Amino acid sequence: GENVEQHPSTLSVQEGDSAVIKCTYSDSASNYFPWYKQELGKRPQLIIDIRSNVGEKKDQRIAVTLNKTAKHFSLHITETQPEDSAVYFCAATTNNAGNMLTFGGGTRLMVKP
Amino acid sequence: GAVVSQHPSRVICKSGTSVKIECRSLDFQATTMFWYRQFPKQSLMLMATSNEGSKATYEQGVEKDKFLINHASLTLSTLTVTSAHPEDSSFYICSARGPGGDEQYFGPGTRLTVT
Repeated sequence: GENVEQHPSTLSVQEGDSAVIKCTYSDSASNYFPWYKQELGKRPQLIIDIRSNVGEKKDQRIAVTLNKTAKHFSLHITETQPEDSAVYFCAATTNNAGNMLTFGGGTRLMVKP
Repeated sequence: GAVVSQHPSRVICKSGTSVKIECRSLDFQATTMFWYRQFPKQSLMLMATSNEGSKATYEQGVEKDKFLINHASLTLSTLTVTSAHPEDSSFYICSARGPGGDEQYFGPGTRLTVT
């Protein structure tokens, strides 16, 4: 089955700096890669996703890149703000798996004011 | 759109009792829902895939007789933790596949504490 590795597990940045979180996946058939933000005690919120037919997607301060050949994808947050502090999870899935998501281990992002 | 609710948000029960958690898709129909368990500072671990009108598919290591899942309608799936023990204490989260097909939307979670 699919295996998703996420790095780093914790990331501390200064407000205004950029943050990058990287994930690798094992199943070359995976074709959908969402990113979720989870604040303490709350539900994961979908913040951006990318499908395998594109290499990059951007939404304001958030961007995701996908390298299918290397089987890795990354989340980029620019101009970080304290409210960006949360745990971020990457995930991967194939349409054949009934949309069952395989999650990475999570990255705790701390943005220091 | 694509709102998923979950009830209750918190429950405390005594060891040996059963607890039912409901997951509802409020503004869309979900033929497939998923149940996850999340321990503190850990990732989400898929427990089972719930399909409307058929039996749930459980992940390896998840006891189907202990975690009963029923998906009787296109907007409701329930998870019943039977004969709960303290080690079942966790954050249980459901998700539903959204109208678009790929994306999943999560419920707010249920914090279960077994004393």
